[in-house]
Amino acid sequence: DIQMTQSPSSLSASVGDRVTITCRASQSIGSYVNWYQQKPGKAPRLLIYAASSLAGGVPSRFSVDGSGTDFTLTITSLQSEDFATYYCQQSYSTPLTFGGGTKVEIK
Amino acid sequence: QVHLVQSGPELKKPGASLKVSCKASGYPFTKYGFIWVRQAPEQGLEWMGWISTYNGNTDYAQRFLGRVTMTTDTSTNTTHMELRNLRSDDTAVYYCARVSGLITADYYYGMGVWGQGTTVTVSS
Repeated sequence: DIQMTQSPSSLSASVGDRVTITCRASQSIGSYVNWYQQKPGKAPRLLIYAASSLAGGVPSRFSVDGSGTDFTLTITSLQSEDFATYYCQQSYSTPLTFGGGTKVEIK
Repeated sequence: QVHLVQSGPELKKPGASLKVSCKASGYPFTKYGFIWVRQAPEQGLEWMGWISTYNGNTDYAQRFLGRVTMTTDTSTNTTHMELRNLRSDDTAVYYCARVSGLITADYYYGMGVWGQGTTVTVSS
């Protein structure tokens, strides 16, 4: 199974901050990575697919860099609605696996 | 508008079976497959498996083999996930999500449509 390791597991930030979340795959997965945002009590929401493509309706302050084994999700100017937990997920092979999540909290 | 609506919360005893449904609307049902993902309390996301609505092909996670069955009913645009021999660590929110691909799943584009989740509690 491909392991997806996210860091940090949590962070505190203020509105307007630049936030970065990293995800490392245990083997090369090319661009087969997706990112989700999840708010408490809600289903995950697809943010980015195929490593760097924004899903419909996702604001351009979200972006992803990387390929192979290392990926970085950046939120350029954190907004109040961005406080949530973020997950990376590899789509290279089954079983699909997710990172452990990064909780973005208000400082 | 595309919607996935799941069945309601469940309280089950250890050893019992569970069946969660996921009804799709707003698109041609057999154009997409489904996955099931669960999330234990305060935990991350775990993929359980995939089913094709086109031909019923399935791909289950190894850890659920023998305990899980996913089915699809094209007459009601509904997919079901049955989990047998429940244990306390099966307590989780179970989600269905739509995925591209007819005969095999195509996960490259991610899962953009999710059900609202079904809370399952396993307790004696």
